[in-house]
Parts: sequence; structure tokens; C-alpha cells
Amino acid sequence: DIVMTQSPDSLAVSLGERATINCKSSQSVLYNSNNKNYLAWYQQKPGQPPKLLIDWASSRESGVPDRFSGSGSGTDFTLTISSLQAEDVAVYYCQQYYTTPLTFGGGTKVEIK
Amino acid sequence: EVQLVESGGGLVQPGRSLSLSCTASGFTFGDFAMSWVRQAPGKGLEWVAFIKSKAYGGTIEYAASVKGRFTISRDDSKSVAYLQMNSLKTEDTAVYFCTRAPTANGYTYPPIYFHSWGQGILVTVSS
Repeated sequence: DIVMTQSPDSLAVSLGERATINCKSSQSVLYNSNNKNYLAWYQQKPGQPPKLLIDWASSRESGVPDRFSGSGSGTDFTLTISSLQAEDVAVYYCQQYYTTPLTFGGGTKVEIK
Repeated sequence: EVQLVESGGGLVQPGRSLSLSCTASGFTFGDFAMSWVRQAPGKGLEWVAFIKSKAYGGTIEYAASVKGRFTISRDDSKSVAYLQMNSLKTEDTAVYFCTRAPTANGYTYPPIYFHSWGQGILVTVSS
């Protein structure tokens, strides 16, 4: 199984400041034949279902603010919130879809400092 | 607008069975893979099972934790996905989310991640 490890478990960031979340996979999720990373990011606000933010490691879903960006390749990935807003308070998860079982990271809780 | 509505949850004793349904609207149900993802109270997300569209053979896969006990199925004529859960354990207690995969168009091996989510339904396994 591919193990997804997120860091940190939680972080507190001042409004308007940058938040950076890391996700490391135990093996590469880069599919060489199409040069795509099979990695997604989700946001889960309290009491709500998760919401897909980013797929293919760096492709933002329609309607997702451009302060959210994804980067990385192979085994190391980052979700960046460039200027934290109050509505960004949530738990963020990465997920690999390179192979089954489909696996998630443990989540990173983002709060306001 | 994509809508996924789960039903059938509730309290059940260990060892018993329960069946969940996911009624979909706002898209051509038969064109998309469907999955179930669960979240134990206060915990993270765990993929449970998926079923691909008939165009991709209706392939089914399960997480090891539920294989042999849970069965996923679909009725494209009704736009409903199901999760039959047998031999339930206390550790199956969770909110179960129905999810839809992204479009499979153009892919030989369509990616299965979780593009759209239902609100979730609570399953509590307890004596």
C-alpha cells in the first residue's frame, strides 16, 4: 500500500500570511507514460463533507480561489495557501489515486493564529 | 448541479447487516465511477470501495478492511449506488460518504478520485 504522510498535523497562521502543507508518499505517484502525478488535495470544513481542491497535484478545480496552489512531483507534494483567509480554516487531506488501495494522508488542521 | 444523497444509515448491532443507498442527480450517472469513503468520529478519511462505469467493465475494488463483508453495486436505471454491509464491527462506525469520480473520457485507465461528495450518513455499530 502507498502510505501518505502529511506534515504538520496542525498549523496556526495569521490572516493574510502563507500556509504550507506537505504530503509525502511512500512510493512515487508519477505515472511515467503520461507524466502525471496521481495526487489530489481536499478541504474539509467542520461539519461538512470534503471538497476537492486540486487534482493531478497542481490543477485547481473550477471555482477554487487562486490563493490555493499545489506543487511537487514523484513522492513530495505541497499545498500552499498564499494569503490565509478566515474561511480557509479547515482540515486538508492529500490522496493518491495512482493505485489501489486509494489512500489519504492523515490530515492537516489549519487554524488562525 | 451534481447531487448525491445518502440514505439507510443508523444504529446496528455488531454482526448484523445494513444497506446504504446513494441517489444521484444532475449528471449522467452511468458514465461515472462511484465510490464510498468513510470517516470514523474525529478521524481521517478512508476509502471503502469503488465501482467503475459499465463502459469500463463495472470493475469493483474494496479496501482490505471491508473486503468479504461489504458489497458495492449500482443501478444505472435508477441512478443509485449501494453499499451492502454485512458482519458489521464496532470499528465500522463512521460517517459514510458517497462520492463520484471525475470524468473518465479519454482515459484508458480512468482515475478514481473523489470529485463530488454527498453530505454523508452516520452508521453506528454498537450493542
